[in-house]
Amino acid sequence: QLQLQESGPGLVKPSETLSLTCTVSGGSISSSSYHWGWIRQPPGKGLEWIGSIYYSGSTSYNPSLKSRVTMSVDTSKNQFSLKLSSVTAADTAVYYCARRLQASGGAFDFWGQGTLVTVSS
Amino acid sequence: DIQMTQSPSSLSASVGDRVTITCRASQSISSYLNWYQQKPGKAPKLLIYAAYSLQSGVPSRFSGSGSGTDFTLTISSLQPEDFATYYCQQSYSTPLFGPGTKVDIK
Repeated sequence: QLQLQESGPGLVKPSETLSLTCTVSGGSISSSSYHWGWIRQPPGKGLEWIGSIYYSGSTSYNPSLKSRVTMSVDTSKNQFSLKLSSVTAADTAVYYCARRLQASGGAFDFWGQGTLVTVSS
Repeated sequence: DIQMTQSPSSLSASVGDRVTITCRASQSISSYLNWYQQKPGKAPKLLIYAAYSLQSGVPSRFSGSGSGTDFTLTISSLQPEDFATYYCQQSYSTPLFGPGTKVDIK
């Protein structure tokens, strides 16, 4: 069974860079059938797609966050990562990593459990 | 940019009720519409992909329909475990989630 697990600091200071890693187990991140994405959810609010990455390193980002987002992939470790720079309190959220189907409506079919990142001094 | 709306934003229903949630896109997204269920403190769970295809393991009381701009998620007979928030998501262009519909107990 595929599993995704987010890891990284739970507290980040304003103006600093948020860094998270998603470790994929039970399947290969190098499959041509999937992209790998990050989605976030501020407390009590809805879901916001941050960006997606393909195993080749090709990326696509939410235009509203594009200037601050960098995603990367490490196929040898079966991991992909997120960096979000110049964070503010508005970036406080639960961050999820997820697998996105290449076909089938581009749905996110497997999700990590999520990790809460708080931006505060 | 494509905008997504959902209605209602919340509803109260009883076990056994038929529940319908609507999702509307501001322009045609063909059938690039997915539905998720989220319970408090949990990650979203994919229910329906490509407008009407049932994800493996999801009970058949869930169904999706629609194409173009108007879509519906129907729960044919609401069960206690179905009380949750439901989100639609378009993947015709940059992935975008609807604002959600909370289903709670009447």
